[in-house]
Amino acid sequence: GAVVSQHPSRVICKSGTSVKIECRSLDFQATTMFWYRQFPKQSLMLMATSNEGSKATYEQGVEKDKFLINHASLTLSTLTVTSAHPEDSSFYICSASNYNEQFFGPGTRLTVL
Amino acid sequence: GIQVEQSPPDLILQEGANSTLRCNFSDSVNNLQWFHQNPWGQLINLFYIPSGTKQNGRLSATTVATERYSLLYISSSQTTDSGVYFCAVRQTGGTSYGKLTFGQGTILTVHP
Repeated sequence: GAVVSQHPSRVICKSGTSVKIECRSLDFQATTMFWYRQFPKQSLMLMATSNEGSKATYEQGVEKDKFLINHASLTLSTLTVTSAHPEDSSFYICSASNYNEQFFGPGTRLTVL
Repeated sequence: GIQVEQSPPDLILQEGANSTLRCNFSDSVNNLQWFHQNPWGQLINLFYIPSGTKQNGRLSATTVATERYSLLYISSSQTTDSGVYFCAVRQTGGTSYGKLTFGQGTILTVHP
């Protein structure tokens, strides 16, 4: 299967700072990538769809000015959590689509103090 | 939007037992995937199965698209099978790169 990497795997930051998470498809080009958030003992919730070369599409209730997404190339999408607060603490997971399947990165655990 | 329901929510087995996990969805789909989320949070692709039957070792899956459900079979379970199993679907009518909607998952615990 295809390989998707995510960096960093874990980050702890102070309230008010910004955090950038990178998602890379290592062995295929992904026109579309997706960003999910998962709270403990819950399912994955889609935050936004990241399209290479165009603006991201955000799900209802997700603040686009808080969760900035950039999909600069066919293998890289970034999610920046701006002015992070403790309620933003969560497990963030990206995925990349190869037309049929989605393949997921290992996730980033964000803790905001 | 499309609704995805998984059952049972929790399943406890002894090593060696067989099990069946179910995924029901409320509308037509053109993509259905089964995932295993390991204790470190990584989602592992098990099957891409919008219809039909597939097998991979001790695991097999069947999707009956016309009746809007999919089944994941685990035979001769091992402790390493423990984790959360998710079903996710893409509703027909979206683009081929369309979003997946996840079920709530089945938490599987296999005891030695």
